Amino acid sequence: QVQIVQSGAEVKKPGASVKVSCKASGYTFSNYAMHWVRQAPGQRLEWMGWINAGNGNTKYSPKFQGRVTISRDTSASTAYMDLSSLRSEDTAVYYCARRGETGLDYWGQGTLVTVSS
Amino acid sequence: EIVLTQSPGTLSLSPGERATLSCRASQTVSSIYLAWYQQKPGQAPRLLIYGASSRATGIPDRFSGSGSGTDFTLTISRLEPEDFAMYYCQQYGSSQGYTFGQGSKLEIK
Repeated sequence: QVQIVQSGAEVKKPGASVKVSCKASGYTFSNYAMHWVRQAPGQRLEWMGWINAGNGNTKYSPKFQGRVTISRDTSASTAYMDLSSLRSEDTAVYYCARRGETGLDYWGQGTLVTVSS
Repeated sequence: EIVLTQSPGTLSLSPGERATLSCRASQTVSSIYLAWYQQKPGQAPRLLIYGASSRATGIPDRFSGSGSGTDFTLTISRLEPEDFAMYYCQQYGSSQGYTFGQGSKLEIK
């Protein structure tokens, strides 16, 4: 069965970077795109970007362009989201989600990133 | 950028009642790129509806989606206790990527 498991919670200082991983299993990783979505406390879901796991092409939300880098390691069936120049407003739960035939059909459990001095 | 506005913000109903949630887009959205998600506290979102009206795998038939252009609706015909949650609409636009509505909270009356 399809499973997506994310790395654990992180605490970072303002100005630092964070890298969250997302390991997929139960399907052919390179056949699907992986998206990243975040949710600040009490806020709406916010799309950050995606990667074509096959060819590595990426597309980012204009809001995060220049600050986010999404990558993948096909040998490990793992996608990564790197967010730099962190500020307090980046405190959120970060999710990865597989883009299936119909939509974002399988999600990771979420990774809480806390930015605090 | 296409903005999705959901209404109502909060809907209070009882089990067995019918729920109707609205999602209005600031510009025309292609129906094939309109989806609905359910999210419960502490959980990741779950895909309910794709292509505006198709149920995702395993979603009960009490959930239905409709609409086109700028107005879309999620209907839950007879509420079950497990249906009380947050609901988000989402659209995909090639230039801006994905956007989500602000969500509608369905709470038990």
